[in-house]
Amino acid sequence: AQSVSQHNHHVILSEAASLELGCNYSYGGTVNLFWYVQYPGQHLQLLLKYFSGDPLVKGIKGFEAEFIKSKFSFNLRKPSVQWSDTAEYFCAVLRRGSSKIIFGSGTRLSIRP
Amino acid sequence: DADVTQTPRNRITKTGKRIMLECSQTKGHDRMYWYRQDPGLGLRLIYYSFDVKDINKGEISDGYSVSRQAQAKFSLSLESAIPNQTALYFCATSDSLRDGYNEQFFGPGTRLTVL
Repeated sequence: AQSVSQHNHHVILSEAASLELGCNYSYGGTVNLFWYVQYPGQHLQLLLKYFSGDPLVKGIKGFEAEFIKSKFSFNLRKPSVQWSDTAEYFCAVLRRGSSKIIFGSGTRLSIRP
Repeated sequence: DADVTQTPRNRITKTGKRIMLECSQTKGHDRMYWYRQDPGLGLRLIYYSFDVKDINKGEISDGYSVSRQAQAKFSLSLESAIPNQTALYFCATSDSLRDGYNEQFFGPGTRLTVL
């Protein structure tokens, strides 16, 4: 069965630290990849997405992610985090031609001011 | 996303009660979804609907039912609520015209507590 793994359940960083959140998926076919963010008390919002082309995609608020097909990975990065980045981050995978997105279990990011 | 609304936003109920959660969208999307979110488990798909006449079970449909009253409305029912259905429930929509590329748009969520 297709699955999405986010190995870091809770990450705690200080402001200005660099961030990398891991995401691996199990499906071997063509996929679309997403990172969603959920700020405290709010609904999920799209942070960035990969459909095709340049494997390094840039999203909102300075986030970027790199698709590495050989590693089945789509890690999220930000060079310098801010306190306002405190949120839960979800990686998601959509098998091309399907309408069912599979979500990872999420990574909670806490930023110390 | 203001284009996807959910009612109620919070609900506390008792075991055995029937509960309906409602979702409406103004995005004009034909596909709608219900998820539940539990700590450490991410989002799990309960039911999804590709149009008014098409309803499909997701990975955790037991104990739930849905109704697609119109393209813009998709309701989730708990016929007899039980405490392990306490969770945050999200409705989402997507557009089949972009099939294969369908980003989903989420509502604000309904926090349900079953005592």
